[in-house]
Parts: sequence; C-alpha cells; structure tokens
Amino acid sequence: DTAVSQTPKYLVTQMGNDKSIKCEQNLGHDTMYWYKQDSKKFLKIMFSYNNKELIINETVPNRFSPKSPDKAHLNLHINSLELGDSAVYFCASSQSATTGTRDFGPGTRLLVL
Amino acid sequence: QQQVKQSPQSLIVQKGGIPIINCAYENTAFDYFPWYQQFPGKGPALLIAIRPDVSEKKEGRFTISFNKSAKQFSLHIMDSQPGDSATYFCAASKLTDKLIFGTGTRLQVFP
Repeated sequence: DTAVSQTPKYLVTQMGNDKSIKCEQNLGHDTMYWYKQDSKKFLKIMFSYNNKELIINETVPNRFSPKSPDKAHLNLHINSLELGDSAVYFCASSQSATTGTRDFGPGTRLLVL
Repeated sequence: QQQVKQSPQSLIVQKGGIPIINCAYENTAFDYFPWYQQFPGKGPALLIAIRPDVSEKKEGRFTISFNKSAKQFSLHIMDSQPGDSATYFCAASKLTDKLIFGTGTRLQVFP
C-alpha cells in the first residue's frame, strides 16, 4: 500500500542517453511534483501538475519533459543526459495545488557516467 | 525574496539533548512553514508544520517556534534520540505557490 512510488530506484547510464522515471500515487491527490536533490542535499522543485495540467515549470533545461497521462501518474523523461543531471529525483503529491503538505516518493538515484 | 536560509548545516548532540534548527525567510507573503525529516536513502517526510497565526506548535517531542516580526522559525527536538538522526529541512510557501526548501541540517544524536 505504497503511497507514492517511483521506478526505477537506481539508474546508471551513459552521457547522451535518454531515460525515463515513472511515478504513481494512490492517495487520490490532484497535484504531483518532481523535485531534484543534488549532491549537497538541496531540494528544488522542477515541475508541478494539477489534474494533468502543468502549473509550475521552473527554469529546467528543455531536455527534461514531464508527462502526466492521468492525475495518478507523472513521468519524467530526460533527453541527452549530462553529467550534471546526476542527482536524486523525487516525485511528490499533494491533495491539491493549495495544500502545503507534500507526500514524497522514495526517490530515483540517477548517475550519469 | 524566495530564499529560506537554514542553520546550522550540521549538528551533533548527545541523547537527551535539545537540538535547535533555525530558519529565516524574506517573503512576508509566505503563509505555510513545514519541517521535513529525511533519513538516508528515503524521501523527505512531513514532520510538523505551522501557519503564521500561531507562535508555537508542538507535536510529541517536536516543537516549532515562529517569530513573524523577525521572519524566523525554528525546530526544537526535546529529549532527542539516536533514531532522530536524519537530515531536517525547513520550507516555506504561499499555499498557492511552490514550496521553497532550506538547505538542510544533518543531525546526529549519539547514545
């Protein structure tokens, strides 16, 4: 009965490759997010979707493209991976766009070689 | 204006001690101030949160103190335990906007 789940948990890939991370929440929440946590543990919002619509799009390179097929799923596709993309990517959800609480997934550890 | 400054970066206390983590913000429009706890290899989890209409909130051994005029808030952990060893993040937001996280404090509680 995992609330927010992400796959894969670990991702090791070569520079220049394209990869996807999937996220699913079974909480019935309307809003989902992608956060990036760098090597210094700094957490930064990347994207937010509310009922499948993009509502927050931070200054993230165009190589990152989120997709929300339905309000329970938010995937992140990354093209032409670079060394600097190595980080932990967290998916999160909240009841609505005006709810402060975020439920975070376990994270996907991406290492670009 | 969008930053949340958190200190200290790391903290070491003995079991039973009261670690205090401080955060400061600039944006007076922020109206939601949560604290998240993150264990190694896990996602952050909400610990406790406060709105600016109260000066203190307590949940179990965790207390948030909030000073609206100083634009500061802090987390106190009473009777700290080794199991409290984790990274703690403060955050702030307007409820209709993105959550801005502090830089994190790594807490180690020794037996």
